[in-house]
Amino acid sequence: EAQVTQNPRYLITVTGKKLTVTCSQNMNHEYMSWYRQDPGLGLRQIYYSMNVEVTDKGDVPEGYKVSRKEKRNFPLILESPSPNQTSLYFCASGALHRESYNEQFFGPGTRLTVL
Amino acid sequence: GESVGLHLPTLSVQEGDNSIINCAYSNSASDYFIWYKQESGKGPQFIIDIRSNMDKRQGQRVTVLLNKTVKHLSLQIAATQPGDSAVYFCAEIIANFGNEKLTFGTGTRLTIIP
Repeated sequence: EAQVTQNPRYLITVTGKKLTVTCSQNMNHEYMSWYRQDPGLGLRQIYYSMNVEVTDKGDVPEGYKVSRKEKRNFPLILESPSPNQTSLYFCASGALHRESYNEQFFGPGTRLTVL
Repeated sequence: GESVGLHLPTLSVQEGDNSIINCAYSNSASDYFIWYKQESGKGPQFIIDIRSNMDKRQGQRVTVLLNKTVKHLSLQIAATQPGDSAVYFCAEIIANFGNEKLTFGTGTRLTIIP
């Protein structure tokens, strides 16, 4: 089954304790992206990657890191989490097309709480 | 700054009626506009997209209209069903030298009344 998986689905942590949220896709997509979703703010892009070893900042990259060492994986790293990073996080992937928009497939989400 | 957003945060429609969800945008450089549907507890799901050089596109039970003059986008859902209850997001894509930046609006919650 074609899918985007995220782990963990739920995480409660404390300020300053480094954490990683994993994202994996099995569709051989070039494009992967991380979003955070907050009430009243919609989805905001954190980082995206057009291909292996190519990453770019989205709208809200501060406090986050990503890496794209393999095509299928795109982990999101919070080196020193803070309470304002409490949010619902989504990973997405898509195939890049020259003629049309790359439909993005979203993972199920990771609900992160930073105390 | 540039933005994309929705007119109404909530919309209630009788089952079987047509729904129209609206979206306004400010960036004339947008290359594509996309509608996503997000059901409770799930990630967003692609519905339909439209390229900026088009003004209408139809899918299964859905139609997207783009009015570039007033920078307005709408999603029409025909004969709404209970399964259409969700939050709907419009989003814009600005493609720049192979990089694609996707910006979402804040969403409209559509409730279908049985």
